[in-house]
Order: sequence, then C-alpha cells, then structure tokens
Amino acid sequence: EDQVTQSPEALRLQEGESSSLNCSYTVSGLRGLFWYRQDPGKGPEFLFTLYSAGEEKEKERLKATLTKKESFLHITAPKPEDSATYLCAVQSHGSSNTGKLIFGQGTTLQVKP
Amino acid sequence: EAGVAQSPRYKIIEKRQSVAFWCNPISGHATLYWYQQILGQGPKLLIQFQNNGVVDDSQLPKDRFSAERLKGVDSTLKIQPAKLEDSAVYLCASSLDMRDGAQYFGPGTRLLVL
Repeated sequence: EDQVTQSPEALRLQEGESSSLNCSYTVSGLRGLFWYRQDPGKGPEFLFTLYSAGEEKEKERLKATLTKKESFLHITAPKPEDSATYLCAVQSHGSSNTGKLIFGQGTTLQVKP
Repeated sequence: EAGVAQSPRYKIIEKRQSVAFWCNPISGHATLYWYQQILGQGPKLLIQFQNNGVVDDSQLPKDRFSAERLKGVDSTLKIQPAKLEDSAVYLCASSLDMRDGAQYFGPGTRLLVL
C-alpha cells in the first residue's frame, strides 16, 4: 500500500533560520512527488513536481529535492510569510491510470519575526 | 484565470440531516476531484471524475455520499444522512488531465455536524 509520512509534524523557526522538512514515501513505483502549501482556511497550492531521484526544483526561498525513498523541502532564510502547512503527495505507476495522489499529513511551519 | 470556485464556504448541520456542496472547476480542466480533509490530516480523495465519468470512487462512503458532474463541468457532492465524523473540510480540485499531479484546489467547504 502506498504511504507518505512527513516529519516533523510542526516546526517553529526564527526569521532567517534555515531548516528542512522531510517526506518519506513507499510506493509501488514512483511516477511523481508533489509539494503543496496550505494556508489556514484555504485549499492547498501547488509548488513543485519531482519525477526522479537527484532532481531538484527551486522557488524563491524553497528548494525541493528527491531521493529514492524521501524528499526534502529546504527553506533558506525563511520569512514570517512562509508560515503555512506544507503537504507532500505521491503518485505511483500503479495509479497512473487515474493519477491518484496520496497525501502525507503535512508539516505546519511557523516562522517568528 | 479564475480559480476553482466552491460554495458554501461554511455549513453547520445536525446529524442525520443532508447537505450539498458545489464546485466549479477551472475552465478547460477535464479532471475534477473531491477530497475530505480532517483537521490535522492531509486530503483524502473521495471521488475523481474525468469529464462526465467516474474514474475512482473507491474511498467514497456510498451508503451516504453521492456525487455527480453533469455536462463535464460543475459538480455537486451530497451527504445524506450526515454523521458526526463527517465534520471536515471538503475540497474540490481540478487538473488538465487525470495524470497531471499539479492539481488546483478551491478554498473548501468547512462542514460541522452537531
């Protein structure tokens, strides 16, 4: 059964203090790994897609990386506006006919000024 | 480009009552999804449509939940009768194609069942 586990559940940082969020996955053949950001009271917002081990994507202060078993979302010099819940999701080749995403439980990031 | 629209934004009902949610996806998106998100958890797929047809409803509690997507555009999700454990946020999302993991979500409907 495809599974996604994110850690930590919650993370508090001071503004400018860099850190990483982890997404561990077990799938029957990874087709894609996706990172989303969710602000309170809103739906998730798509950030990145990663397809193969070694791939990296960047957007402003965020950089996502992928290995064969996990993905990291690195946050460099975060600002208070980066505070949100970050969700990781996987799509497996087994679900390629429907494209079903399996989401992790999320990491809630709080950045204090 | 307009995003995914959902209504209502909030709904409070008593158990055993019925409720319906509406979703209008991004224009041109063939695939539409309904997710349930319980507080502190990630979204869980309830049902997925490709144009008019259902491609995955394996996690939809069919004894109480139903959904339709008429004319391949708007969709409604209904719960009848509601249970306390149905309290959650119901998210609608759409994508260009069902293999596209870049899904675009609406703001969600927050349901509280008393």
